[in-house]
Amino acid sequence: DVQVTQSPSTLSASVGDRVTITCRASQSISRWLAWYQQKPGKAPKLLIYEASTLHTGVPSRFSGSGSGTDFSLTIRNLQPDDFASYYCQHYVRYPYSFGRGTSLQI
Amino acid sequence: EAQLLESGGDLVQPGGSLRLSCAASGFNFDAYAMSWVRQAPGKGLEWVAAISDVADITFYAESVRGRFAISRDNTKNMVYLQMTSLRAEDTALYYCAKESAPWGKMIDSWGQGVQVSVSS
Repeated sequence: DVQVTQSPSTLSASVGDRVTITCRASQSISRWLAWYQQKPGKAPKLLIYEASTLHTGVPSRFSGSGSGTDFSLTIRNLQPDDFASYYCQHYVRYPYSFGRGTSLQI
Repeated sequence: EAQLLESGGDLVQPGGSLRLSCAASGFNFDAYAMSWVRQAPGKGLEWVAAISDVADITFYAESVRGRFAISRDNTKNMVYLQMTSLRAEDTALYYCAKESAPWGKMIDSWGQGVQVSVSS
């Protein structure tokens, strides 16, 4: 089974900053990787799929990159609404797996 | 816009059974695979099970294989998760999720979740 390792687990930043979260797959997953945002008490929301494609309605300050085993999510010009948890997930084949998450804190 | 509404969560004793339901609307239900994903209190997301658009393929996480069964009724726009031999570690918020294709693509919509608690 493919595992994904996400880092860091917590990240402190300020409004206006640029931050990067990384995700590494245990084997090549091509570009079959998604990123989700989750706020406390809410369901996750899809941000990015196929490593770098922004989901409908997602602000352009979010971007994704990578292929094979190494991926990253970058958020530039952090806004107050961006402070949340972020998860990567591979979907190259079942069973899917998620990274352990990154809590982005002010 | 896809809407997913879970129900059926409860407090159940270890070894017990429970069936979760998910009512889907706002999209062509029988054209998409569906998944269940869970989140233990204060923990991350764990994918649990998936079922293809026409229910001919299912797949399970190792942690639930043989105990959980996913099914769907395309005439009612419903997906189910039958859970048996429940354990304390199955305690979690269970999300119903829509995938973006008939089989094997990313999750693009989520329900709000239903709580399952396993305790004596």
